[in-house]
Amino acid sequence: SQQGEEDPQALSIQEGENATMNCSYKTSINNLQWYRQNSGRGLVHLILIRSNEREKHSGRLRVTLDTSKKSSSLLITASRAADTASYFCATDERRPALIFGKGTTLSVSS
Amino acid sequence: NAGVTQTPKFRVLKTGQSMTLLCAQDMNHEYMYWYRQDPGMGLRLIHYSVGEGTTAKGEVPDGYNVSRLKKQNFLLGLESAAPSQTSVYFCASSYEDGGPFTDTQYFGPGTRLTVL
Repeated sequence: SQQGEEDPQALSIQEGENATMNCSYKTSINNLQWYRQNSGRGLVHLILIRSNEREKHSGRLRVTLDTSKKSSSLLITASRAADTASYFCATDERRPALIFGKGTTLSVSS
Repeated sequence: NAGVTQTPKFRVLKTGQSMTLLCAQDMNHEYMYWYRQDPGMGLRLIHYSVGEGTTAKGEVPDGYNVSRLKKQNFLLGLESAAPSQTSVYFCASSYEDGGPFTDTQYFGPGTRLTVL
């Protein structure tokens, strides 16, 4: 069964706005990862956050993790058209394999 | 470095035909994975391998077989293709140090398979 569930399923914003995606999971994890997938392409790793971390930054990306609520969020600040893609969270419920959620499709219009 | 490559990029099969998808990585990663991606379903793990000569089942292993004869290659086989196996298949690899934390996975570009 799939572990991470992203919310919302789809998100449309204007360039310059912030985009927030959420991920919920069911069992205990050691780390959670976020990936991006451009249409028709493979997944690209964005950021990894460990269970003992609460927040992590990478450029315009900010990830938070709340293990008590079993949830994570990905914030993309000052969105660009090039950020248009699907975003997936993945947990390590079945280490070393990752279990992916169904993804959030982000559309950024100029 | 080419990273993770997949062969072929596209394939059309008839029901009952067999085929093998090849995944190769040049990063000397121990771990390799096969996923399928269907619309609205995200990625689902088919099989994975933690080293040469080893394989393990994932979430959706039925109808597929895998082999890891060489560290750099991971083959996914369909012995008798069915329309339900129409999907996009992704291979991935990762370096794992054996500790409790899973590492970043590096993905190939995918193989789009249609079974008629």
